[in-house]
Formats: sequence, C-alpha cells, structure tokens
Amino acid sequence: NAGVTQTPKFQVLKTGQSMTLQCAQDMNHNSMYWYRQDPGMGLRLIYYSASEGTTDKGEVPNGYNVSRLNKREFSLRLESAAPSQTSVYFCASSERREQYFGPGTRLTVT
Amino acid sequence: AQTVTQSQPEMSVQEAETVTLSCTYDTSESDYYLFWYKQPPSRQMILVIRQEAYKQQNATENRFSVNFQKAAKSFSLKISDSQLGDAAMYFCAYRSYYSYSGAGSYQLTFGKGTKLSVIP
Repeated sequence: NAGVTQTPKFQVLKTGQSMTLQCAQDMNHNSMYWYRQDPGMGLRLIYYSASEGTTDKGEVPNGYNVSRLNKREFSLRLESAAPSQTSVYFCASSERREQYFGPGTRLTVT
Repeated sequence: AQTVTQSQPEMSVQEAETVTLSCTYDTSESDYYLFWYKQPPSRQMILVIRQEAYKQQNATENRFSVNFQKAAKSFSLKISDSQLGDAAMYFCAYRSYYSYSGAGSYQLTFGKGTKLSVIP
C-alpha cells in the first residue's frame, strides 16, 4: 500500500516548456487534489476532482490543466511554464475525514 | 470564504519543554473540522491531530493536544516534552463539515505555517 505517489520528485523547466506532473493513489478514494506550496503562503488549491470524470477549479487555477484519467490517477499539466510557477506541488486524495498527501514535486522554471 | 491565520512565523523550544503554536480562523459555519499538519524537511505532509467543531472535548494524540475555543475561533497546538524530531513546519487547516460535489470532496484552507525549531 503506497498511498499517494507523485512523479517526478524534482524538475527544472525553461520558460515556455510544457510538462505533466503525475499522481496516483491506491486507497480507492473518490476525490483527488492538486496544491501548490510557496514560501510563506501555505498550501493553495489549484484543481480538484470530486470523482472520476469530474474536475473543478480551486483557488489558483490559472496556467494549469488537469486530467482525471481514472479513479487512481490525476495529472497536472503546465502548457507553457512561467517563472511564477516555480513551486512545490502536492497531490492529495481524500476519504470523508482526512486528506492524504503525496511526497511533493519541486518544480523550478528558469 | 474561510481564512486561517498563524501569527507566529517562527517559534523555538528547548528539548523536553512545552510549546504552544497559535491558530485563529474566521468562518460563518457552525460545523467544521480543524487540523494540524506537520511538514518536516522531507516535505511530507503528516496529519498530527484533528478536531471536530461539534465536539467540546479537546483532541489529544500522545504528546500533542489542542486548545479549541470555538467562540473565540482559536485552535492552538500544544507539544509536550518536545523532541528533536518535532522540528518542522506546522500548518493549521480548516475544512467545512459538509462536502461539496456530492462525492465526499472538500477544500482545505491552510494557514501560512509556523516553523518550529527544537534546541538540544
């Protein structure tokens, strides 16, 4: 039982490049989330997926797209990376009482 | 919209001593959950303790306890017998009691965090 896994752990992009962050959970949770964490800002919700086939915007969705590929997987895509997207990205999944977080991806955009 | 405020960006405590981290929140809801998460240098977010607003009794998990003051909208975390492994960022978080989208999903609102150092 791996919980929530994320790939890659680290990534460096040049401005304008695209990439997809991958997330998978093996806890059979319906809901999944993408957050970003910036220094002094706590975690902020980018997108969430209440169930397979649905996605909705969170607090800071601009510049991102998501795909809920199936119940296990929820990916985050940066189509044209910008330096403002330098951050640590966390994926999470939830049952009714608690969210479980992945180990995070540190993304640097130069 | 709910807001969560952690007014102490950094705190320090001597090993084996007790420290209290502060958190206040603003909400118009009567039912909700509050959480404290720990984030060590490994970056992993670890749930420390959870409090349901409808419960008057303060939650306790081993050396961690909370002082939940619903009327004052205050939710502080007390760490007793501090250990070197307690050094981390601590985040307070709020969630509504009711789910949205009808599928059990909900949004967590986080404070900006308190960095706790433990002095040997």
